[in-house]
Amino acid sequence: GESVGLHLPTLSVQEGDNSIINCAYSNSASDYFIWYKQESGKGPQFIIDIRSNMDKRQGQRVTVLLNKTVKHLSLQIAATQPGDSAVYFCAEPIIQGAQKLVFGQGTRLTINP
Amino acid sequence: NAGVMQNPRHLVRRRGQEARLRCSPMKGHSHVYWYRQLPEEGLKFMVYLQKENIIDESGMPKERFSAEFPKEGPSILRIQQVVRGDSAAYFCASSPFQGARGYNEQFFGPGTRLTVL
Repeated sequence: GESVGLHLPTLSVQEGDNSIINCAYSNSASDYFIWYKQESGKGPQFIIDIRSNMDKRQGQRVTVLLNKTVKHLSLQIAATQPGDSAVYFCAEPIIQGAQKLVFGQGTRLTINP
Repeated sequence: NAGVMQNPRHLVRRRGQEARLRCSPMKGHSHVYWYRQLPEEGLKFMVYLQKENIIDESGMPKERFSAEFPKEGPSILRIQQVVRGDSAAYFCASSPFQGARGYNEQFFGPGTRLTVL
């Protein structure tokens, strides 16, 4: 079965506010996670990744936090903009054998003006 | 450098017809992956191919679905005798050389949205 899953299917925030999108995973051996952004009518786009030897990783306006104790990761988007409206997925690459990505259900982020 | 290309972007078929979805990987990429996305769900892995080889088809339905990545030309995902439940977005991704370890980033195409009437 899937090893990643999301807490909330939808999230609405005001433009300029920060948003936090959560993801839970079940496999304690998981060691690498990726966040994807999928805009309407488009394919997933890589945002940021994190390895299990890190607790936090920052990009441009995005931060990913990894809590291995509770098997939880989050994506924080600072100062949200209208262009941030999209569905966000956490995903885990399964590397053994052949490579494939296991995606969570996704969270739809809506930015209100 | 063009990204992953998929065509058609939208495909409408009646029940019982065949659907052919095409994927051209990024230049220099020799690995192709197909994923299916049902409405309001995440992407589900279907199949992983290299040129002329199917490496992992563990996500492919046992019947009616097939995939190929010939030596020349795009990768093809073929669905025979489509049913309404096949309606979904089908995404292709490609990656460069797959090393012995680690993960090679997959780059996604824009998808083909299949509607079965």
